Amino acid sequence: AQTVTQSQPEMSVQEAETVTLSCTYDTSESDYYLFWYKQPPSRQMILVIRQEAYKQQNATENRFSVNFQKAAKSFSLKISDSQLGDAAMYFCCVTPLVFGKGTRLSVIA
Amino acid sequence: SAVISQKPSRDICQRGTSLTIQCQVDSQVTMMFWYRQQPGQSLTLIATANQGSEATYESGFVIDKFPISRPNLTFSTLTVSNMSPEDSSIYLCSVSTRVNQPQHFGDGTRLSIL
Repeated sequence: AQTVTQSQPEMSVQEAETVTLSCTYDTSESDYYLFWYKQPPSRQMILVIRQEAYKQQNATENRFSVNFQKAAKSFSLKISDSQLGDAAMYFCCVTPLVFGKGTRLSVIA
Repeated sequence: SAVISQKPSRDICQRGTSLTIQCQVDSQVTMMFWYRQQPGQSLTLIATANQGSEATYESGFVIDKFPISRPNLTFSTLTVSNMSPEDSSIYLCSVSTRVNQPQHFGDGTRLSIL
């Protein structure tokens, strides 16, 4: 069975600084996908970034990037130039449909 | 991306009653899912809603407690039956074209049982 571990229940970052959220996972699948989702206080979950496990290149989406270490089964999310709107719960997810417990990110002005 | 409308957004219900939550999508989607999320906690998959056939339930969830309908490719309902305070939670609908594609989520239904 797949498992996803987010070891940081809460994190904080100063506005304009960089923060990294960690995620490790375990899966028996050879072909899988990984996602980071963001859930602001308004509750709707939205996709931040996606990584295909067969791709060695780390995914990047504007200020968001991942550090994907397949052998170590690690999938961390880096947020650069943090903004107040980045404050939210962040969930790491591995297919099929297994979510971590989440990391609550606070952004300090 | 798909736009998902979930109703009701919140409700307060009496113990022993049932509530049906609706999920409407603005386009045809292959996969629809129902999750439960305790406040401040992660998401737990209840079931995959299959169009034209019975839903596929995850371990710990049964059809008698959480009956699901999916009459077409744009609509699904989840009923929480014979509710108890332990059922107080946020229930989320999500859709995807394939299991390895990103999911799009509704706003959720916050359910409280007295």
